[in-house]
Amino acid sequence: DVKVTQSSRYLVKRTGEKVFLECVQDMDHENMFWYRQDPGLGLRLIYFSYDVKMKEKGDIPEGYSVSREKKERFSLILESASTNQTSMYLCASIDREPNGYTFGSGTRLTVV
Amino acid sequence: DQQVKQNSPSLSVQEGRISILNCDYTNSMFDYFLWYKKYPAEGPTFLISISSIKDKNEDGRFTVFLNKSAKHLSLHIVPSQPGDSAVYFCAASLYNFNKFYFGSGTKLNVKP
Repeated sequence: DVKVTQSSRYLVKRTGEKVFLECVQDMDHENMFWYRQDPGLGLRLIYFSYDVKMKEKGDIPEGYSVSREKKERFSLILESASTNQTSMYLCASIDREPNGYTFGSGTRLTVV
Repeated sequence: DQQVKQNSPSLSVQEGRISILNCDYTNSMFDYFLWYKKYPAEGPTFLISISSIKDKNEDGRFTVFLNKSAKHLSLHIVPSQPGDSAVYFCAASLYNFNKFYFGSGTKLNVKP
């Protein structure tokens, strides 16, 4: 089975901190994604990456950046955490075939 | 502006009965659709998909129907079981499968 692993299940950070969310997939998928899930808003795409060192903005990139130095790892960076970034963050990967995303278990981030 | 909409935030169904979850989309260029199921504190998992060249796809108790003229898809679960209680997201993609657009989710509660 494809596995997408997010390094933390729960995080609590202070306003203004720089936050790193890590995601690793083990099936050599080219495409990786970061979403956030909020009640009533569903899953919203923050950033995605087609290949190493490639990145594309999603629908809500403001306040975030990403890094993809290796194919298996895709990091989401909150440059200066704010309370409105309190959310569930989900990483996903997908191969070229349309079998849908494989998601990680998510990171529940609380910014205080 | 959300391109994929799930207008029912919640649905409650008796065990053994049919659950029908609905999804509407606005972009006529979408040609691949999926349903995901999400339990609390877990990432979404792929449930069933349908290509725009079909109008129905079945997998066990789960059937997805696609009405392209109405830009509407639905997920039928028959018979519903308490273990089906979860949040269900519909998602759509363009031909390149590079990213998916998600609805806001419907929380299904199947009562014993």
